[in-house]
Amino acid sequence: GAVVSQHPSRVICKSGTSVKIECRSLDFQATTMFWYRQFPKQSLMLMATSNEGSKATYEQGVEKDKFLINHASLTLSTLTVTSAHPEDSSFYICSASRSGNYNSPLHFGNGTRLTVT
Amino acid sequence: KNEVEQSPQNLTAQEGEFITINCSYSVGISALHWLQQHPGGGIVSLFMLSSGKKKHGRLIATINIQEKHSSLHITASHPRDSAVYICAVYASGSRLTFGEGTQLTVNP
Repeated sequence: GAVVSQHPSRVICKSGTSVKIECRSLDFQATTMFWYRQFPKQSLMLMATSNEGSKATYEQGVEKDKFLINHASLTLSTLTVTSAHPEDSSFYICSASRSGNYNSPLHFGNGTRLTVT
Repeated sequence: KNEVEQSPQNLTAQEGEFITINCSYSVGISALHWLQQHPGGGIVSLFMLSSGKKKHGRLIATINIQEKHSSLHITASHPRDSAVYICAVYASGSRLTFGEGTQLTVNP
């Protein structure tokens, strides 16, 4: 099956620093990648949708200057949390899509647990 | 009210039991997904349905479009099935809407 690799799986950083999370589709070309955030005991919340070679579309309430998304190739998207604060501590997970919509099977990374101290 | 309602929220079973998790939704959809989230957080796609029934190993998923309802069944449950099971629906042109998840614990 299709494999999506997400790194790092866990990161601890100090307040004010930036953290980059990578999401790679290893064996298929991902037209679209979705970035989600999940708080404990809650469901996934879509942060943004990124299409290769174009600017990401952010959901309402998500600061695009704080959560920088780059989708430079059909196999790689990155999420950079800039000037991280403790309230940014969360579980971040990406999903890659061949088709660009949800009418095909979903392929998720294993997620990144971010802790900001 | 959430557009996607799952029940039960928590489920504890003994190894070998037959398990059913339900998902009801309120909008017309073009696809419904069942996902499994492991304790470490990783998510695996189990099924994508637009009609009827699908089976994979011990897992069966059904959907009734008219009643806006789907079920996920696990036969001969095993402790390794312990995870959070998430129903997510896709209405064409919209985003994916997730249920709150069902925490399943299967005891040996």
